[in-house]
Amino acid sequence: KAGVTQTPRYLIKTRGQQVTLSCSPISGHRSVSWYQQTPGQGLQFLFEYFSETQRNKGNFPGRFSGRQFSNSRSEMNVSTLELGDSALYLCASSLDWGTGELFFGEGSRLTVL
Amino acid sequence: AQKVTQAQTEISVVEKEDVTLDCVYETRDTTYYLFWYKQPPSGELVFLIRRNSFDEQNEISGRYSWNFQKSTSSFNFTITASQVVDSAVYFCALSEGSRGNEKLTFGTGTRLTIIP
Repeated sequence: KAGVTQTPRYLIKTRGQQVTLSCSPISGHRSVSWYQQTPGQGLQFLFEYFSETQRNKGNFPGRFSGRQFSNSRSEMNVSTLELGDSALYLCASSLDWGTGELFFGEGSRLTVL
Repeated sequence: AQKVTQAQTEISVVEKEDVTLDCVYETRDTTYYLFWYKQPPSGELVFLIRRNSFDEQNEISGRYSWNFQKSTSSFNFTITASQVVDSAVYFCALSEGSRGNEKLTFGTGTRLTIIP
């Protein structure tokens, strides 16, 4: 069974640009959540989606947005990139919403120059 | 506001020793869930256990055991007879609410190194 797939794995952007990250959940999983991991702040919740609806959002500025498609695949977008957005962005899926039993992908490592 | 504290930043033990990872949490909810996740050097976080706030029974799974004590707001994780493959960063996490959700508050993690 294929795991959670995130693309791209690595990317480098400059300040002011925008970026879109993609996540394909495990087949049959309907819930997708996103986390940001940095050495300074650790793992921080960004948002979670179930049935194409955002169920919860973390304390991030409006530059961070996401969506989920009918096939459960998800994307997140960060606009007007700042140096502090450099991080590992992790996508996780779960079979149903609310279990907390998350299956994580390997992440997309974003570097902002 | 919810908070998870893992006071131990790094721990090193010799293989076959037992090791306990501490986790202390704060929440105002009476219903919540606690978790442990493992992040090996490969980087992918792996779910280990979920426990709800009404179930204080300790749990054992092979060499792993978990001790949940509401009186001290702690959910500690013990590895018995540690092995090199146990080397990883371990995260404790909390989610609030009776229905549960995917919004987990993670601790800062404990980096465990098993010395062969």
